Amino acid sequence: DAKTTQPNSMESNEEEPVHLPCNHSTISGTDYIHWYRQLPSQGPEYVIHGLTSNVNNRMASLAIAEDRKSSTLILHRATLRDAAVYYCILRDWYGNKLVFGAGTILRVKS
Amino acid sequence: GAVVSQHPSWVICKSGTSVKIECRSLDFQATTMFWYRQFPKQSLMLMATSNEGSKATYEQGVEKDKFLINHASLTLSTLTVTSAHPEDSSFYICSASAGTETGELFFGEGSRLTVL
Repeated sequence: DAKTTQPNSMESNEEEPVHLPCNHSTISGTDYIHWYRQLPSQGPEYVIHGLTSNVNNRMASLAIAEDRKSSTLILHRATLRDAAVYYCILRDWYGNKLVFGAGTILRVKS
Repeated sequence: GAVVSQHPSWVICKSGTSVKIECRSLDFQATTMFWYRQFPKQSLMLMATSNEGSKATYEQGVEKDKFLINHASLTLSTLTVTSAHPEDSSFYICSASAGTETGELFFGEGSRLTVL
């Protein structure tokens, strides 16, 4: 499975945007970029995913670099409930399973 | 969204006993489910892929005789930790794909096992 690199932790103020980076320089052409997050003592939940173009949904936006070797998850207005571990995962087109890396711990200050 | 439920949420058992954890897809059928283990302050580690009606596929380093997986129906997979020891104490999480357009996996709420 292709590897991703994320900062160990980030901090944000409430109501401000948050940009969570992810490097995936060994991404292959069939890899989708997935983001999940895990709140304390819960199972992960899906946030967003993309292949080449930037994506938006009700939770977040995903900005993908033109060469696809990096991406950024954007939370437009962080709330305290967004404090979680955010995982950037590459998932093959044909694949089903998700292999988690270390993720980024996001702390949100009020 | 689709719901995956695990039972029990937490369990405490004595060393040497076996513990069964259930994972159910409540509103969809899942031919494939996944089992993960997570130690404190660590990421999720994929243990195995559970396939309905056939043998599970285990990740490298995971003992199949230790962690028995059964996927007898399209809505239920079970993980049995046999002869549990304190080092098996962990947070066990299952997930399944509902075949949605996003291809997302839905995760259960997790089962915390403590072996005394």
